[in-house]
Order: sequence, then C-alpha cells, then structure tokens
Amino acid sequence: QVQLVQSGAEVKKPGASVKVSCKASGYTFTSYDINWVRQATGQGLEWMGWMNPNSGNTGYAQKFQGRVTMTRNTSISTAYMELSSLRSEDTAVYYCARIGGDCSGGSCYSFSRYWGQGTLVTVSS
Amino acid sequence: DIQMTQSPSSLSASVGDRVTITCRASQSISSYLNWYQQKPGKAPKLLIYAASSLQSGVPSRFSGSGSGTDFTLTISSLQPEDFATYYCQQSYSTLWVTFGPGTKVDIK
Repeated sequence: QVQLVQSGAEVKKPGASVKVSCKASGYTFTSYDINWVRQATGQGLEWMGWMNPNSGNTGYAQKFQGRVTMTRNTSISTAYMELSSLRSEDTAVYYCARIGGDCSGGSCYSFSRYWGQGTLVTVSS
Repeated sequence: DIQMTQSPSSLSASVGDRVTITCRASQSISSYLNWYQQKPGKAPKLLIYAASSLQSGVPSRFSGSGSGTDFTLTISSLQPEDFATYYCQQSYSTLWVTFGPGTKVDIK
C-alpha cells in the first residue's frame, strides 16, 4: 500500500534552517509529483510548492521563493523540503502529499489522495 | 494567482442534518476543484475530485457539484464521524495550488 512517512518533530531557533524528509513506499517514487503543504496551529492549509521526483523540477509558492528548497534522493525514494531563515511564523505542521490524477473527457485532474503523517516544526528562541 | 473563498467559515449541525458548504474561485477553474476533510491532528483526506467525482471508499452521503467559479459540497445526512473541517482546493493551476480557508462543522 502507498505510504508517505515523514521525519520527526523539530525544534529550531529563529534564523536556522530545517529539512523535513518524506519517504515513499508502495509505488514507483519517480512516477508521481509531490506537494508540500503546511498548517499553522488552528489555521488552514497552505501550499508551499511541488517537486517532480523524476526530473527534480520544482515550483514554489511566491511566498516561499528564496527560502524553500525541495529535493529528492531517488535511490531511497525520499523527498525533502528545506526551509531557511526560520521565524516564529514558520511554526507549523508540514505535510508531503503525492499528487495523483484522473483523466476523463479530455481533461486530467490532479489531487492528493496520499499524505504523510505531518512533521511539527517549532521555531522558538 | 487564483484565490479561493468558502462559506460559511463554520456551522453547527445535528446528526442527520443536510449540510451544504460553498466554495468560490476568483476566476473560472472549470471542474478543477477538490474537497478534503480534516480532523484534528490528522492529515487531510480526499473526498471529492474534479468537482463531483467521489473518491473511492468515501461514503455516498458526500457529493460535490459546480463548475466555473462556484462549487458546493453536500453531506446528505450528517454522521457523528463527519464533524471536521472541510477544505476546497483548486487544481486548475497545478503550478500554483490554493486551498480555501476551510469550513468547520461542529455539533449543535
């Protein structure tokens, strides 16, 4: 079965960087793009960006441009999201999600059926 | 970028009630609209994709409709396990995904 298993909780100081991993199993890692989404406590879902594990191509939300880097290691089917220059507002649960899709009537629709369990990143001095 | 709004932001309902949540896009997104359910401490769960396609394994009391800019998620008969927060998400622009702000459904 498809699983995305993320790394454990992190506590970081302001100005530091954090790297969250997302290990995929149960499918061919390079066949599906990965989204990264975060959620501050009591807040909604915020899309951060996507990565194509096959090519390594990425796309980042404008808000995170220059601070986020998404990479992968295909030999271990793992995606990474690194966020730098952390501030208190970055305290949140970070999720990876596999982007799947369904095509009908000439259109292809993407969605995320499989999600990681989430990684809490706390930024505090 | 495409902005998503949802209404109401929260609602109180009883078991057995019919519940309707609305999502609106700032521009036409055809049927590129997904709905997710999230419970506290859990990852979101896909309910509906392509505006009206029910994800496998999701109870048939959930349904979605709409196209263009206006969309609806309906729960025909609310069950105890349906108390959660619901998010819409546009996938029209796959390079710039956006979620609605969420609708919290709690017990009246």
